[in-house]
Amino acid sequence: GEDVEQSLFLSVREGDSSVINCTYTDSSSTYLYWYKQEPGAGLQLLTYIFSNMDMKQDQRLTVLLNKKDKHLSLRIADTQTGDSAIYFCAYPPCAGNNRKLIWGLGTSLAVNP
Amino acid sequence: NAGVTQTPKFRVLKTGQSMTLLCAQDMNHEYMYWYRQDPGMGLRLIHYSVGEGTTAKGEVPDGYNVSRLKKQNFLLGLESAAPSQTSVYFCASSLLAEGQDNEQFFGPGTRLTVL
Repeated sequence: GEDVEQSLFLSVREGDSSVINCTYTDSSSTYLYWYKQEPGAGLQLLTYIFSNMDMKQDQRLTVLLNKKDKHLSLRIADTQTGDSAIYFCAYPPCAGNNRKLIWGLGTSLAVNP
Repeated sequence: NAGVTQTPKFRVLKTGQSMTLLCAQDMNHEYMYWYRQDPGMGLRLIHYSVGEGTTAKGEVPDGYNVSRLKKQNFLLGLESAAPSQTSVYFCASSLLAEGQDNEQFFGPGTRLTVL
């Protein structure tokens, strides 16, 4: 079936790198997404990666995709207190099907000064 | 553009009362969604719509009804509220497109408490 697994909590010190991991089951998806939810707010798309890519870098964010292991990771360099949020991994279960996204439970990132 | 807006932001109901949550988007998006978010449960899709006049059930539709009479609005109704419906409700919308345009845009949420 379709499933996404994420660890629920991560705590890092300010200035360190954060790595949030996600594993998924469906191999037909064309895109995989990372959404960010700040306290008391809705979700916002943070970044995404095409399924034919291994890596995508966007300023402090690096997304790594291992299709063989169905593993997705989000690395945040020089983590700041403003990065404290819940991070969700998500993907559409079928290529071109935007009728729903399969969501992970979210990883709550705490950044300590 | 205001994006996706939700009203109300907060609401407290007594068991058995009814209410309607309103979602509005000004981005001319075809798809709209209602989710609920509960601790430890992530996001669960309640109902969604693929266009004006259409609705479909998501993962957890029981106890909820929806309507999409206008393209820009998606209403979520609770006919007889139950404590199990205490949650944060999010509306989202997206374009009718493939690829990275699959991005879903979220509203700020409605925090509902049913006593």
